[in-house]
Amino acid sequence: QSALTQPPSASGSPGQSVTISCTGTSSDVGGYNYVSWYQHHPGKAPKLMIYEVRKRPSGVPDRFSGSKSGNTASLTVSGLQAEDEADYFCSSYAGSENYVFGTGTKVTVL
Amino acid sequence: QVQLQESGPGLVKPSETLSLTCSVSGYSISSGYYWGWIRQPPGKGLEWIGSVYRSGSTNYNPSLKSRLTISVDTSRNQFSLKLSSVTAADTAVYYCARLTVTNGKLDYWGQGTLVTVSS
Repeated sequence: QSALTQPPSASGSPGQSVTISCTGTSSDVGGYNYVSWYQHHPGKAPKLMIYEVRKRPSGVPDRFSGSKSGNTASLTVSGLQAEDEADYFCSSYAGSENYVFGTGTKVTVL
Repeated sequence: QVQLQESGPGLVKPSETLSLTCSVSGYSISSGYYWGWIRQPPGKGLEWIGSVYRSGSTNYNPSLKSRLTISVDTSRNQFSLKLSSVTAADTAVYYCARLTVTNGKLDYWGQGTLVTVSS
């Protein structure tokens, strides 16, 4: 399976919103509501931010939200804060107990 | 708090076998969940490697299946990865994580360990 496509970078000023897209196919993103989003500060363990397209784990601020339309999922970070500066990547179930990840997006808080 | 920690050699010679172990604390592997491996080559995106259940049942990325063995040791609360006949293309940061197969979420990850394939 091919990697899901994400923009390499995104940015916004503190307090603004940024939206990251994650484009796949009908065999992964479009075929299942099993898209997750992860935040990764280099050198640290990735952190689950969103699962099942739009659900937030306990402890994740509601500034983080997820959605999906067709073969494209999106992560929106509202009210950007300095600590939101990180790499973000998506993942999707791709059938047959396999998963595919996105190419990753570096979010910069200006 | 669930914690995972990868361990193993940081340098492996071409054609040899890459071996990594993931030690889990704060949760007993025997209690459930699948346990997975993911890797990220330098400058590239993440790649799903495969997963193992407490019973030893496994699921592998088809592109790696012929070279891959993932196993579990519930007595040590660890699971392991073996990738044979490695090449430079297998150079990557390798992560272990806890997987919920019903929705694909990876809710706890290790920090990752860099494995370089070089002579």
